[in-house]
Amino acid sequence: SAVISQKPSRDICQRGTSLTIQCQVDSQVTMMFWYRQQPGQSLTLIATANQGSEATYESGFVIDKFPISRPNLTFSTLTVSNMSPEDSSIYLCSVSRTSGYINEQFFGPGTRLTVL
Amino acid sequence: QKEVEQNSGPLSVPEGAIASLNCTYSDRVSQSFFWYRQYSGKSPELIMSIYSNGDKEDGRFTAQLNKASQYVSLLIRDSQPSDSATYLCAVNGNTDKLIFGTGTRLQVFP
Repeated sequence: SAVISQKPSRDICQRGTSLTIQCQVDSQVTMMFWYRQQPGQSLTLIATANQGSEATYESGFVIDKFPISRPNLTFSTLTVSNMSPEDSSIYLCSVSRTSGYINEQFFGPGTRLTVL
Repeated sequence: QKEVEQNSGPLSVPEGAIASLNCTYSDRVSQSFFWYRQYSGKSPELIMSIYSNGDKEDGRFTAQLNKASQYVSLLIRDSQPSDSATYLCAVNGNTDKLIFGTGTRLQVFP
């Protein structure tokens, strides 16, 4: 597996502000992912972050709203910009590790965001 | 649209029984399949992964994959109250991107 930490673990923010979430992994990984899990719902992939290239965003998510940095192989940040109450969610980072023939994903503890 | 479907539950089983969780997927090119356990307020924890047809066992957990019928299931033997959680099925194809089902809530009562 992998040891993944996220900061902050939770935050309460005002509408119109921005929050940057950090994700740190205990060893180098090629691919990191950012997900959102809205209350009572499943996980939705926001973007894939590879070191040395621009993040790849899924349909419905744009770089202006969710800018991502990936400065090295153990760290990534996700910024939630110009927040609204609809952005209240749990944000999770994950990393991919190869086990035999499968690339398995392991999740960080998540950041619980509440926007007022 | 690629979909992964699960019964939302709750699935209630008595302690010691076998819990059977099912998942179907729509994309025939899906290659790898995963079961995650998520306790309330916590992040998903990977408990099983499978890519070949048939059964894969790990302790009290058995994953079953049938690619022809496009379903994957998770059996939990000797269910314990600590197994009470939401179980998420996830599928990927030729990329590492996972598509998650909505999860099945399992309740194991003493």
